[in-house]
Amino acid sequence: DIQMTQSPSSLSASVGDRVTITCRASQGISNSLAWFQQKPGKAPKSLISDASSLQSGVPSKFSGSGSGTDFTLTITSLQPEDFATYYCQQYNSYPFTFGQGTKLEIK
Amino acid sequence: EMQLVESGGDLVQPGGSLRLSCVASGFTFSSYAMSWARQAPGKGLEWVSTLTASGGSTYYADSVKGRFTISRDNSKNTLILQMDSLRAEDTAVYYCAKRGFFDLWGRGTLVTVSS
Repeated sequence: DIQMTQSPSSLSASVGDRVTITCRASQGISNSLAWFQQKPGKAPKSLISDASSLQSGVPSKFSGSGSGTDFTLTITSLQPEDFATYYCQQYNSYPFTFGQGTKLEIK
Repeated sequence: EMQLVESGGDLVQPGGSLRLSCVASGFTFSSYAMSWARQAPGKGLEWVSTLTASGGSTYYADSVKGRFTISRDNSKNTLILQMDSLRAEDTAVYYCAKRGFFDLWGRGTLVTVSS
């Protein structure tokens, strides 16, 4: 199975900051990587697929990059509604696997 | 507007069965693979199962293989998860999602396995 490791597990930032979350795959997954945002008590929301393709309706402040084993999610100009937990997921091969999550908190 | 609505979650005893449904609207359901994921209380996301658009191929997490069955009725735009031999560790919110990369999620349905 492919293991997905996110770092950091938690992150404190201020409104207006730019943050980067990293996701590393235990083996190469090409660009078969998705990112999700989840707020407490809510379903996850898709942000990015194919490592860097923004889902319809997702603001351009979110961006993704990477290929192979190393991927990043960058969020610019943080706003209060961006503080949430973020997950990555590989869909290159079964079983599909998620990272453990990164909790983004207000400093 | 594309939408997925799950139902069927309940409190069930260990060893029992439950059938979850997910009704899709706003897109051509029969054209897409569909998936289930779950999230135990206070924990992260776990992929459970994926079914191809035609229904011809199914994939399962090892944790549910042999106990859960994914299926679909394209005439009713409905995805099904039949869950048998339920265990306490199956307690979670179950989400239905579009495609294997979950580009659309439902709101989830809570399954509690407890005596």
